[in-house]
Amino acid sequence: GENVEQHPSTLSVQEGDSAVIKCTYSDSASNYFPWYKQELGKRPQLIIDIRSNVGEKKDQRIAVTLNKTAKHFSLHITETQPEDSAVYFCAASMESGYALNFGKGTSLLVTP
Amino acid sequence: EAGVAQSPRYKIIEKRQSVAFWCNPISGHATLYWYQQILGQGPKLLIQFQNNGVVDDSQLPKDRFSAERLKGVDSTLKIQPAKLEDSAVYLCASSSSSYNEQFFGPGTRLTVL
Repeated sequence: GENVEQHPSTLSVQEGDSAVIKCTYSDSASNYFPWYKQELGKRPQLIIDIRSNVGEKKDQRIAVTLNKTAKHFSLHITETQPEDSAVYFCAASMESGYALNFGKGTSLLVTP
Repeated sequence: EAGVAQSPRYKIIEKRQSVAFWCNPISGHATLYWYQQILGQGPKLLIQFQNNGVVDDSQLPKDRFSAERLKGVDSTLKIQPAKLEDSAVYLCASSSSSYNEQFFGPGTRLTVL
């Protein structure tokens, strides 16, 4: 089955700096790669996703890049703010309707 | 639109007891998932339903866990008997058949003593 590895497990940055979280996956059939943000005690919420026919996607301060050949994808957060502090999970799955295989998460701390 | 609803939010039981969780997905969402999230880890799929049929239950410990989705809407997940290692947050998620975004419920935090 699919195996998703995520690094780093913890990340601390100063407010205004950029944060990068990287994931690798094992199943070349995976085509959908979402990123979820989970605040303490809250539900995971989708922040951005990318499909295999796209190499990069941006949404304001958040961007995701995908390298299908190397089987890795990354989340980039620019101009970080304290409210970005949370656990971020990457995931991979086949197309629509398939379950997600999650990484172990990255705990991001943005200090003022 | 209303989100995915789950109850109870918290449950504390002794080992070997049984427990049941309930999930009401977003209206019209055909696909429903149950995930187990152990502290410090990402969610792990337990079972996936498409309408009221099971699509994937390969990671469900069937000797103690069971799930059903009656009439293709609400779902219940049961553990009987519970073990200490079942302590986790149980997340329900749903998605429409045409787009893969999964919407998660608030989860049920289970503590097994």
